[in-house]
Amino acid sequence: DTEVTQTPKHLVMGMTNKKSLKCEQHMGHRAMYWYKQKAKKPPELMFVYSYEKLSINESVPSRFSPECPNSSLLNLHLHALQPEDSALYLCASSQTGQAATNEKLFFGSGTQLSVL
Amino acid sequence: AQSVAQPEDQVNVAEGNPLTVKCTYSVSGNPYLFWYVQYPNRGLQFLLKYITGDNLVKGSYGFEAEFNKSQTSFHLKKPSALVSDSALYFCAVRDMLGDMRFGAGTRLTVKP
Repeated sequence: DTEVTQTPKHLVMGMTNKKSLKCEQHMGHRAMYWYKQKAKKPPELMFVYSYEKLSINESVPSRFSPECPNSSLLNLHLHALQPEDSALYLCASSQTGQAATNEKLFFGSGTQLSVL
Repeated sequence: AQSVAQPEDQVNVAEGNPLTVKCTYSVSGNPYLFWYVQYPNRGLQFLLKYITGDNLVKGSYGFEAEFNKSQTSFHLKKPSALVSDSALYFCAVRDMLGDMRFGAGTRLTVKP
């Protein structure tokens, strides 16, 4: 199994809603990532978990809250989002997340989020 | 800081012709360079990565990349383009913290 599975594929939410994005992998990877991608732009790193610990938070607003319940699962909790948060949210995983390696990332297909 | 640059927003080629998508890098130490492809409304798919010592790296779907240390480039190439190669291509570098940093992307259009 070399897949990263993200649910839901599409999500429409109001600015007062609370929702969660889910990501799952069964490759035994110990690093998982959340990226945000606006249309026709490169993915931007939001969060990195390595061995279930948040190792990097790229100064993302607190209305985004990550959670890593175990090494196979990654959630992104959303609350009080703004219309400018509308984007494709990508989850990825890699074997260890260690620096100075040519370890590749495996990406999910993403959740297309629209905030009204 | 580790970074990559993709100087072309758009590359157009005719089917059957060779294609090149350009990438230059700025790294300290060993370069950990990658190419990814993205089809509409999908995640990124890994194409290939630089392996120390190999100036020509072969990857998925017939793509290859040429590493040139003197020009600090890692251009993506394919000898004969297919219409199905039309997509968004990202060059990326893994930085000293282990994070993958992407270039701005190049949209490749292959016309029949």
